[in-house]
Amino acid sequence: ETVLTQSPGTLSLSPGERATLSCTASQSVTSNYLAWYQQKPGQAPRLLIYGASSRATGTPDRFSGSGSGTDFTLTINRLEPEDFAVYYCQQYGGLKTFGQGTKVEIK
Amino acid sequence: EEQLVDSGGGLVQPGGSLRLACAASGFTFSGYWMSWVRQAPGKGLEWVANIKEDGSAKYYVDSVRGRFTISRDNAKNSLYLQMNSLRAEDTAVYYCAKDGAGYPVWGQGTLVTVSS
Repeated sequence: ETVLTQSPGTLSLSPGERATLSCTASQSVTSNYLAWYQQKPGQAPRLLIYGASSRATGTPDRFSGSGSGTDFTLTINRLEPEDFAVYYCQQYGGLKTFGQGTKVEIK
Repeated sequence: EEQLVDSGGGLVQPGGSLRLACAASGFTFSGYWMSWVRQAPGKGLEWVANIKEDGSAKYYVDSVRGRFTISRDNAKNSLYLQMNSLRAEDTAVYYCAKDGAGYPVWGQGTLVTVSS
């Protein structure tokens, strides 16, 4: 099983700032099958990024994904008020696993 | 519009059973793997199980294998999760999700509470 570790656990930032979220896998992620999700309280998760760097339909271009192998990053440029939420990475190359999440909160 | 609607959650005693259902619409259900994902109160996401398009392959997280059974009825565009021998640690919101590059479509979730 591939374990995904997200850091930091919480990110305190102001609107307009850049957020950088990290996801590290315990072994190489098959074919960069790495996704990022956003979840707001009381809602189902929403797919933002798949294939490590491809934006899902409807994902604003201030969201970008990068990385390969075991190290992946989600970057949110110029945080908007609606971006404050919890973000999860997921590998879907085999038995699917999620990271524990990073909360982006308003500073 | 692609849509998934989860149902069947509720309060059940430890050791009891429950069957969740997920109704799909807006896409060719029989053409996709499908998954169940759960989220315990205040916790992160956990993949539970998935099933191949024709139901011929099924996979489970270790903690539910032997207790939970995933199934599907392509004629009814429906996904199911039969949960037996439920434990307190199974308490969670359960989501069905359409497999693809990640999970592009999710149900709204249904809450399962295991408590005496």
